[in-house]
Amino acid sequence: NAGVTQTPKFQVLKTGQSMTLQCAQDMNHEYMSWYRQDPGMGLRLIHYSVGAGITDQGEVPNGYNVSRSTTEDFPLRLLSAAPSQTSVYFCASSSDWRTPLHFGNGTRLTVT
Amino acid sequence: DQQVKQNSPSLSVQEGRISILNCDYTNSMFDYFLWYKKYPAEGPTFLISISSIKDKNEDGRFTVFLNKSAKHLSLHIVPSQPGDSAVYFCAASASVITGSSNTGKLIFGQGTTLQVKP
Repeated sequence: NAGVTQTPKFQVLKTGQSMTLQCAQDMNHEYMSWYRQDPGMGLRLIHYSVGAGITDQGEVPNGYNVSRSTTEDFPLRLLSAAPSQTSVYFCASSSDWRTPLHFGNGTRLTVT
Repeated sequence: DQQVKQNSPSLSVQEGRISILNCDYTNSMFDYFLWYKKYPAEGPTFLISISSIKDKNEDGRFTVFLNKSAKHLSLHIVPSQPGDSAVYFCAASASVITGSSNTGKLIFGQGTTLQVKP
């Protein structure tokens, strides 16, 4: 099992560009979520999904879109990147939202 | 507002001694708490959890204590080992559906960097 796979590992964007951070899991988990990690702020929840076709906002959803068309994939879209979105992004999954999350190894995004 | 707070950014202990990491929360609806450990360039990994029906949970060298009246939990590592050096995050979630629900959301603290010196 690969677990939770995030691509790319690193990305540099210019302000205003768009991109999609990919996240895939092979554990047949229903619950998936996206976090960003910033110094002194810990991990903050961006969006989450309790199953295919269902998504909801977390603590810091502005500037990000998600969709969940399959159980395996949960992409995070930045429509117009801003320097404030420079961060390390983690995708996570679990069998349901009350069980411990399995995290990917993160995507380090820099917006200039 | 920070609903889960880890007020100590860093902690340094000697190998073999006890490490105590603290976490406070403000939302009284939280009823499930977890600790995660994170090494550099890796994702966080689950360490130990506790439900609000308990006040203590133990797993090997790791013990989590929950004080609901104080809205405080702590992670004890005994004995501490150099391999325990990492960032530790506490996290909390609520099972009760409310108007501004935290159901489905796992909220993390800021993290505490633990250094265990040989």
